[in-house]
Amino acid sequence: GAGVSQSPSNKVTEKGKDVELRCDPISGHTALYWYRQSLGQGLEFLIYFQGNSAPDKSGLPSDRFSAERTGGSVSTLTIQRTQQEDSAVYLCASSLEGRGARGIHEQYFGPGTRLTVT
Amino acid sequence: AQSVAQPEDQVNVAEGNPLTVKCTYSVSGNPYLFWYVQYPNRGLQFLLKYITGDNLVKGSYGFEAEFNKSQTSFHLKKPSALVSDSALYFCAVNSGGGADGLTFGKGTHLIIQP
Repeated sequence: GAGVSQSPSNKVTEKGKDVELRCDPISGHTALYWYRQSLGQGLEFLIYFQGNSAPDKSGLPSDRFSAERTGGSVSTLTIQRTQQEDSAVYLCASSLEGRGARGIHEQYFGPGTRLTVT
Repeated sequence: AQSVAQPEDQVNVAEGNPLTVKCTYSVSGNPYLFWYVQYPNRGLQFLLKYITGDNLVKGSYGFEAEFNKSQTSFHLKKPSALVSDSALYFCAVNSGGGADGLTFGKGTHLIIQP
């Protein structure tokens, strides 16, 4: 079946501009996650959605970062006033549910969006 | 707080030999442990997980991992390495009691030499 998809695959933007990154999770997965992968910081958790709500926003690095999820499906990560340190690969993942009777389900990752801020 | 350590940046193994990629973790509460693999310019692929039960977990592509509670380790193993196993491997942990994001190690480059 279809996996997690993300768009765009690559995004080059100028410092100070806003960007939107999109994630389409696996159909039927209620949990959705955003991560950031960079050379200096490795893989960092950003935010988690269960359905349309985000009980855990602890990983968002600053108030320039926000995310929403609508219809329990597609999610958008928005970065306002981009800075060069925002350059990274942004990964989206989904799982069957955040916490079930059997514990934490494995997360399935999309191919990522490579963001370059010039 | 939860953390993962992968002490080796790179592991080199000859094709056909057994391989081990090391991982140790720190969590409060019961750990949920995962291994992922990343090929160049690709997303992360799930290999296996430990939730509870048997300490030896079997996963995709012939990989397995051994959970050791006393040593707080979850090393990834394979009896006979293939050149195609060459990739970047990540260990990850979640305590299941709070934040639901995974905490990843820095990753280990596995290089299988023909």
